[in-house]
Amino acid sequence: GQNIDQPTEMTATEGAIVQINCTYQTSGFNGLFWYQQHAGEAPTFLSYNVLDGLEEKGRFSSFLSRSKGYSYLLLKELQMKDSASYLCAGPTDSWGKLQFGAGTQVVVTP
Amino acid sequence: DAGVTQSPTHLIKTRGQQVTLRCSPISGHKSVSWYQQVLGQGPQFIFQYYEKEERGRGNFPDRFSARQFPNYSSELNVNALLLGDSALYLCASKLGHGTQETQYFGPGTRLLVL
Repeated sequence: GQNIDQPTEMTATEGAIVQINCTYQTSGFNGLFWYQQHAGEAPTFLSYNVLDGLEEKGRFSSFLSRSKGYSYLLLKELQMKDSASYLCAGPTDSWGKLQFGAGTQVVVTP
Repeated sequence: DAGVTQSPTHLIKTRGQQVTLRCSPISGHKSVSWYQQVLGQGPQFIFQYYEKEERGRGNFPDRFSARQFPNYSSELNVNALLLGDSALYLCASKLGHGTQETQYFGPGTRLLVL
């Protein structure tokens, strides 16, 4: 299967910017999803990129380069409530079965 | 509109027992997937159902089975429970079966096997 790599943990201060990288093998994924998961809760959808480039949604932006097997999620103007795990995931078959990375734990400090 | 619902929220079982987890998708969604998430890892795909047919199965033993009902709700069954089956079991639904469609997750069932 595909390997999806994300950093394990990132720490940043309130109001700062953090970029979470996600790399994967270049074949097999039709786009890339990002989900946010607070401790003990279900993942919630943040973004989906199917084409190369940057998609902006308020304080969150996501970027995809299919040829490089690379995506990132950019969190701007960090708030304490942004402390969570961020999961990147790719659909691996025609039915949209998702393969997830292990998640990046973002810790926002005052 | 109600989101994906799952029951029960928590469950404690002992080794060797059997468990049934339930999921109701978002109204109008015909695809349901099940994932297992152990602490510190991302969700692992178990099954996908669309229009009551199994459309995908992950790398899980035959002790795991599932089905989808005419109203698109779904059940996940796990037999002969092992300690390693302790995890958060997530159900996700989406409208159809396309790869670009977003899956929406329920709150999960936390299973503890003693």
